[in-house]
Amino acid sequence: AQKVTQAQTEISVVEKEDVTLDCVYETRDTTYYLFWYKQPPSGELVFLIRRNSFDEQNEISGRYSWNFQKSTSSFNFTITASQVVDSAVYFCALSEGALGGSQGNLIFGKGTKLSVKP
Amino acid sequence: DSGVTQTPKHLITATGQRVTLRCSPRSGDLSVYWYQQSLDQGLQFLIQYYNGEERAKGNILERFSAQQFPDLHSELNLSSLELGDSALYFCASSKVGTPSPNEQFFGPGTRLTVL
Repeated sequence: AQKVTQAQTEISVVEKEDVTLDCVYETRDTTYYLFWYKQPPSGELVFLIRRNSFDEQNEISGRYSWNFQKSTSSFNFTITASQVVDSAVYFCALSEGALGGSQGNLIFGKGTKLSVKP
Repeated sequence: DSGVTQTPKHLITATGQRVTLRCSPRSGDLSVYWYQQSLDQGLQFLIQYYNGEERAKGNILERFSAQQFPDLHSELNLSSLELGDSALYFCASSKVGTPSPNEQFFGPGTRLTVL
């Protein structure tokens, strides 16, 4: 069965520190998609990135970077030089391809609450 | 602003009652998804519609139902409400549902409190 595990429940860092949020997934599909979403204190869910299972290239977007490793079924997210505005709950999610019977719905991890202190 | 709208923002009601949550997807998006976020269960997929047809069902209770109308807006109906139904209900939309799931854009959510 498909599953997403975010083992870190809460992380607290001081501004300008780098922080990595871990995500481990389980799926039997060979075609799947991985996502990260951010949920700030205001409550909305903000899309950050989508990755498909055939693309293991790491991605960098400003201070954000993602490391996808199929060998360890992990899709980790790093924030470089963290800022107070990065304080939020971050969710990793998995969506299986059509052959898996899913129609694109997301399976979320439990989330990691990141607190960045000034 | 994701472009997905949800009404109402907050809803307070009593056990046993029935409520309707409404969602308007982003312009051009045909797929609508409903998710429930609660403290104990986390974020869970409930149901998906694509262009008016039900496409996938997740952990949706029999007391809950949904539909997508010809103008693509969707409604989630929750009946015989229980205390445990108190949660944040999100609607999300995307252009397509299969075979390559696009990113889903989430609305601001409806916070339901059952007293």
